[in-house]
Amino acid sequence: DGGITQSPKYLFRKEGQNVTLSCEQNLNHDAMYWYRQDPGQGLRLIYYSQIVNDFQKGDIAEGYSVSREKKESFPLTVTSAQKNPTAFYLCASKGGQETQYFGPGTRLLVL
Amino acid sequence: AQSVAQPEDQVNVAEGNPLTVKCTYSVSGNPYLFWYVQYPNRGLQFLLKYITGDNLVKGSYGFEAEFNKSQTSFHLKKPSALVSDSALYFCAVRRNEGTGRRALTFGSGTRLQVQP
Repeated sequence: DGGITQSPKYLFRKEGQNVTLSCEQNLNHDAMYWYRQDPGQGLRLIYYSQIVNDFQKGDIAEGYSVSREKKESFPLTVTSAQKNPTAFYLCASKGGQETQYFGPGTRLLVL
Repeated sequence: AQSVAQPEDQVNVAEGNPLTVKCTYSVSGNPYLFWYVQYPNRGLQFLLKYITGDNLVKGSYGFEAEFNKSQTSFHLKKPSALVSDSALYFCAVRRNEGTGRRALTFGSGTRLQVQP
């Protein structure tokens, strides 16, 4: 079953804690993206990676970090510097004709 | 900078009636336009895209969209709505320059409610 997986489905963060969201794809796509979704707003770009070992900041990168050590994997860390982390986080990869395919998302909640 | 506007927060339509969800965009260069649908607590599902060619694009689940260059619009349409079409719909445009070049800029979303 090809596609994009994200884990966990729900994640709880305590104040001052760093947490990591997993994103894995088996579509052999080079480019991968992280978006944040808040109620009543569209998706906002956090980080993106066009190729392995390279990534760039998006519009709202402060308080987040990423790595891209493998083509299949693009984990996102929400650091303690992110003061308002409660949101729905979506990972995507880009296939042919610029089409992005999304994972099922991770909902991050603050305790 | 590129932008997408979805002027309606919610669209209500009766089952069996045609539906339209509106989208206008602003982008430099050639527009690459997309529609996605999201069901509660799920990721986005790709519906259709316009890159070049015919202005009427057909996609999944009977949806289609009309590209109008002069009005910079890309409205989503379906001839006969189903209750199961009730969901959140996003229009997006590919960025052609600046931060996140080739990433997508999304509209704020339109909630479609189809009444039985």
